[in-house]
Amino acid sequence: KNQVEQSPQSLIILEGKNCTLQCNYTVSPFSNLRWYKQDTGRGPVSLTIMTFSENTKSNGRYTATLDADTKQSSLHITASQLSDSASYICVVSEGGAGNKLTFGGGTRVLVKP
Amino acid sequence: ETGVTQSPTHLIKTRGQQVTLRCSSQSGHNTVSWYQQALGQGPQFIFQYYREEENGRGNFPPRFSGLQFPNYSSELNVNALELDDSALYLCASRIGGTYGYTFGSGTRLTVV
Repeated sequence: KNQVEQSPQSLIILEGKNCTLQCNYTVSPFSNLRWYKQDTGRGPVSLTIMTFSENTKSNGRYTATLDADTKQSSLHITASQLSDSASYICVVSEGGAGNKLTFGGGTRVLVKP
Repeated sequence: ETGVTQSPTHLIKTRGQQVTLRCSSQSGHNTVSWYQQALGQGPQFIFQYYREEENGRGNFPPRFSGLQFPNYSSELNVNALELDDSALYLCASRIGGTYGYTFGSGTRLTVV
């Protein structure tokens, strides 16, 4: 069964500090991996997307890494801001025509002043 | 993100009723997926439509059904509502064959 597991489930950090979120997956065949930011009660907004051949991708203060061999990804947030408080969801897309998405449970990040 | 609009934003229904949720996608987005997201959890895949035909379905009962229209809009219909159907329902669309899904803001359904 295709699964995506994220850790930690929740995280509290002080404004200005860095943090790293983890994502492990067992989706096969693999097409791509995305990180989304989701504010409470809103739809997910894409931060990064990586294919099999990509190891690192940045979007401002967000940097995602992918190790396709170990099936692990991380999202690093640099110099956190209060607006970074949200859930961060790792989503893996299956290869093939359907391109079905498998979602992780998310990591809830709270940035405190 | 812009381009995918869901309506209504909030909805309250009574157990046993039927509900229709709507999603309007960007022009050219011929693939649309629907997801159910319970509070504090990741979205669960309900089904996907490509060019107006269902081409993928998750572990949801037949009372969850959908339609996709030629104008890139779609519907999610849920019959015989149950209390556990209370959730945020998301639609996401893309141009078939590309990577980029765009999500709507969701419809918050509460069943009482």
